[in-house]
Amino acid sequence: DAKTTQPPSMDCAEGRAANLPCNHSTISGNEYVYWYRQIHSQGPQYIIHGLKNNETNEMASLIITEDRKSSTLILPHATLRDTAVYYCIVPGSNSNSGYALNFGKGTSLLVTP
Amino acid sequence: NAGVTQTPKFQVLKTGQSMTLQCAQDMNHNSMYWYRQDPGMGLRLIYYSASEGTTDKGEVPNGYNVSRLNKREFSLRLESAAPSQTSVYFCASSRLAGDKDTQYFGPGTRLTVL
Repeated sequence: DAKTTQPPSMDCAEGRAANLPCNHSTISGNEYVYWYRQIHSQGPQYIIHGLKNNETNEMASLIITEDRKSSTLILPHATLRDTAVYYCIVPGSNSNSGYALNFGKGTSLLVTP
Repeated sequence: NAGVTQTPKFQVLKTGQSMTLQCAQDMNHNSMYWYRQDPGMGLRLIYYSASEGTTDKGEVPNGYNVSRLNKREFSLRLESAAPSQTSVYFCASSRLAGDKDTQYFGPGTRLTVL
């Protein structure tokens, strides 16, 4: 099972792109990378996921390196409402139950005016 | 679509009291989950239901029971609440069982046990 590593905190100016990195060097070939976020006092929210190719949706873009050992979540034009804790998850990593998402500590993103 | 709803939003209990946390989803998902989140920590799985009629223990099941009432509803019961169960409880659902399908979360129930 792959373990993920994220920086504990990052800052980003409003309107700029926020690039959140994640290392998952032990990921196996058929494991997806998922990103969730949790805005203060709210339930976690799914953002995006990918396997090999870069992915984009209305919320964000996900760039996965060719060797799949790391990825970057990109919020193209960060707003104050994007201030949250962002979790990079490779399902099954470090969990006792195969059904649990291992949220870890994530990256606390602060978007400033 | 309301997604995943949880009731109540807040609850204060005294040690030894019992209560049931309710969760419902309107996405026709097969699987449902209960997590707890303690301050400054990640979410930990309490129980899950891979499909209607089945329930299984997660990482921290002690002190809790669950009921998958039907496909839509999954309840979590505390028979004799303890201060260690003070936490925020999140319910989630997914179309397929397992952690490899997107899970959608409710807004949470904030429980304090005095």
